[in-house]
Order: sequence, then C-alpha cells, then structure tokens
Amino acid sequence: DAGVIQSPRHEVTEMGQEVTLRCKPISGHDYLFWYRQTMMRGLELLIYFNNNVPIDDSGMPEDRFSAKMPNASFSTLKIQPSEPRDSAVYFCASSLSLGQGDYEQYFGPGTRLTVT
Amino acid sequence: GQNIDQPTEMTATEGAIVQINCTYQTSGFNGLFWYQQHAGEAPTFLSYNVLDGLEEKGRFSSFLSRSKGYSYLLLKELQMKDSASYLCAVKEAGNMLTFGGGTRLMVKP
Repeated sequence: DAGVIQSPRHEVTEMGQEVTLRCKPISGHDYLFWYRQTMMRGLELLIYFNNNVPIDDSGMPEDRFSAKMPNASFSTLKIQPSEPRDSAVYFCASSLSLGQGDYEQYFGPGTRLTVT
Repeated sequence: GQNIDQPTEMTATEGAIVQINCTYQTSGFNGLFWYQQHAGEAPTFLSYNVLDGLEEKGRFSSFLSRSKGYSYLLLKELQMKDSASYLCAVKEAGNMLTFGGGTRLMVKP
C-alpha cells in the first residue's frame, strides 16, 4: 500500500489567496483526520471524518477553514482567505475502526504551508 | 478540558537508557499512544497502552498507570537514529487523539 498521500508537499502563497490541501487515505480505512502542527501549538486535531461524514470539527480555527470528504478515497482542506498565521505543516491521517481496541493512525507526509 | 504534559527536551548518550514521562488530565480515556517523529517527517506509531502495566516492544517499552494519569516511554540501548521527537497522545471519546507537545530527544555519541 502506498500509505496516506498528500498534495502538495509544499505550498507558498500570498495572504488572501485560497489554499486547497488534498489527501488520499489508505484504502479500506474508514477514519480520516486533519491535523495542523506548529512549533508553538504542537500537533492539533482540526477535524475528523468517519465513513466520509464529519464527526468533530471543533478544532477548526475559523470559518476560513473548511474540509470535505466527497468519497472514501479523497478529502480536501481549504483555507480562504489564507493568513500568515496559517503557516504550518498540515497532516492528514487515516485509521481503521476497531471499536475500543488498539488501532493506529497512519500519517501522510504532510503539506508545509507558508503564507507570506 | 484536557492537559497532556511532557518535558520539552531531553539529552542522552548513545547506548544508554532514557525514560520520557507523560502526565495527562483528560475528560475521557480510552488508551494512550506514543508516536515518534523525526524532524521534517510524519509521526509514526510506537506503542499503545490501555491497561495498567508495561508493554515491551524490542528496545522500546511503554508503561501506563491510569489511576495516576501517568505514562512513560523507555528507550534502551540508545542509537543515534533515536534522536527525534516523541509524542504522547490520549485517545478520548470516539477515535480522537489529543497530543502532548512532544519531547525532543537528542542522542549524543
């Protein structure tokens, strides 16, 4: 399996522009997570989906952020308009649903976003 | 609310043993995870504890005490490649993970 795939790997954009980050989870995984990582705040969960349905978006910082999962193999995280404080590494992760048992989240390589 | 604390940085010598502690106060608890993250890379899974006690996996072991809200990751026979950040994460409701700030471990020759 190719693992979780994210694109682009690096994105540099100007303040005010729209940014779209893409993620392809591991085939068969029914959970998908979007995280943001910065030096100041560490790794923060933004939103997660189960079977393509958003379950918890309480971590989404503002209305400028939106996420969709139109099918089991694709998700997007959109920022519009982008601001310099959105500069961070954005990770997508996926996992299986194993009830209360142990499971692990598999992380993609991340997208390093720089907003100037 | 949730609070997960780990030391920010630690330094150890190649071949030695190091223990990275994690304390947590969360509204729910369904297990504790440790992830390793090398600089510029994605986190990768190391261990999972849901019951009290020690889980051993090669050079790495993880311990959990639910009554104390405490876990540690033990790394033995340290190698230079173990220099990385180690993230403690608590699984709360559903399948959400809440991560600590991470401990950056530097292994010196």
